[in-house]
Amino acid sequence: AQKVTQAQTEISVVEKEDVTLDCVYETRDTTYYLFWYKQPPSGELVFLIRRNSFDEQNEISGRYSWNFQKSTSSFNFTITASQVVDSAVYFCALSEESGGGADGLTFGKGTHLIIQP
Amino acid sequence: GAVVSQHPSRVICKSGTSVKIECRSLDFQATTMFWYRQFPKKSLMLMATSNEGSKATYEQGVEKDKFLINHASLTLSTLTVTSAHPEDSSFYICSASRLESDYEQYFGPGTRLTVT
Repeated sequence: AQKVTQAQTEISVVEKEDVTLDCVYETRDTTYYLFWYKQPPSGELVFLIRRNSFDEQNEISGRYSWNFQKSTSSFNFTITASQVVDSAVYFCALSEESGGGADGLTFGKGTHLIIQP
Repeated sequence: GAVVSQHPSRVICKSGTSVKIECRSLDFQATTMFWYRQFPKKSLMLMATSNEGSKATYEQGVEKDKFLINHASLTLSTLTVTSAHPEDSSFYICSASRLESDYEQYFGPGTRLTVT
């Protein structure tokens, strides 16, 4: 069975600090997808990234970067020079690939990120 | 592109009544649609997976007679909460997947259900 663990329930940092959100996953499949979503107070999920299991290259998008390491089953997310607008709950998720299509996502419990001015 | 809408965004109903939530893919045909629920300050939990024209597949612990899912077309799935009770109050989110984008899932904005 698949599982996603986000050990950090809440993180609070001062604006402009860098912050890393941890994500550890478990799956028996060799083909799977990893995701990060942002959920602001409005509740709508904002897609940040999708990475398949065969692509271990790290990714950078502006102030956001992701470190995917299969050896430790981790897919960590770093925000550089954090801003107050980054305050939200962030979810890491996993999807295994069933024959002919994608499965539903298994979400971690989320990390509530608070950026203080 | 790849916009998913949900209606209504908020609904309040009395205990014992049924409420229907619609999920639509506005600019693409969805191969598969998924329904999730989220309790306050909790994670999202997959409830069921539905493919157009076939019966939904429910996750363990989800009552299929209580949460009726109909996927009548490639752009519309509905979730009906039957005989709702206060413990069904939750945030319900749908997502739609399409073959053309390698089955990436696009999430709707969610529906907040409050049962009084």
